[in-house]
Amino acid sequence: DAKTTQPPSMDCAEGRAANLPCNHSTISGNEYVYWYRQIHSQGPQYIIHGLKNNETNEMASLIITEDRKSSTLILPHATLRDTAVYYCIVGGAGANSKLTFGKGITLSVRP
Amino acid sequence: GAVVSQHPSWVICKSGTSVKIECRSLDFQATTMFWYRQFPKQSLMLMATSNEGSKATYEQGVEKDKFLINHASLTLSTLTVTSAHPEDSSFYICSAATAAEKLFFGSGTQLSVL
Repeated sequence: DAKTTQPPSMDCAEGRAANLPCNHSTISGNEYVYWYRQIHSQGPQYIIHGLKNNETNEMASLIITEDRKSSTLILPHATLRDTAVYYCIVGGAGANSKLTFGKGITLSVRP
Repeated sequence: GAVVSQHPSWVICKSGTSVKIECRSLDFQATTMFWYRQFPKQSLMLMATSNEGSKATYEQGVEKDKFLINHASLTLSTLTVTSAHPEDSSFYICSAATAAEKLFFGSGTQLSVL
C-alpha cells in the first residue's frame, strides 16, 4: 500500500508557482521522499528526492517538514508542459528499494 | 541523466501468443530492475522485482508462470507475457535504480491482445 496521501487534483496558472502537497505521516526514519511525474502514455519521470533536508534542482524544489510527515513539491514557474500526474512516494534508498505508487495528483496548468 | 530503454513501445498480438518486452539500462549497470503495469486512469502497480543472476521476486497476486522475467545481464531484463489474453492488455513499464538512489523508468510498452 502507498504510504502517501495527495489531493486528487489541482490547477495553477501558467508562469505561477505550483505547490503540490503530500502527506506521509508514517514515514520511517530511513525512508526517502521521491517525486515523479507521468505524462499520458509515458513512463514516469524522476523529478527530485530527499531525506530530511530541503532539496532543489533544475526542475523543482522539495520542502520537507521538520517532522518529515509531509512535504511540498514546488514548480517555480509552471508551464503548460508541466500538466501531468505527480506522484509522491516514500521508499528506502538504494538499488533494491521498490517504490509503491499511490494515485498521485493531477496538475493542470492553465494558460 | 541515466536512461532506461524499453522496447517495443507498443505491440498488438493475438490471444494465446507470447510477447517479450525488453528493458535496458543504457549508461549504468542495474542489478535490480522493476516491472510495473498500469491500467487506464489508474496508478502503476508493481508486478515483480527482477534480480540479475537470480529468480525474480513477484508481488502477491502476480502469476510467475504467466509473467516470465529474465535478468541475464546487468543491463537487460525481459518480461514475457505468456499465452496472452485480452485481460493482459495493459501498459507495462520497467524501471532500474542507479547507485545514487534514483529510480529511472522506461517509456513503457502498450500491449493490446486481440
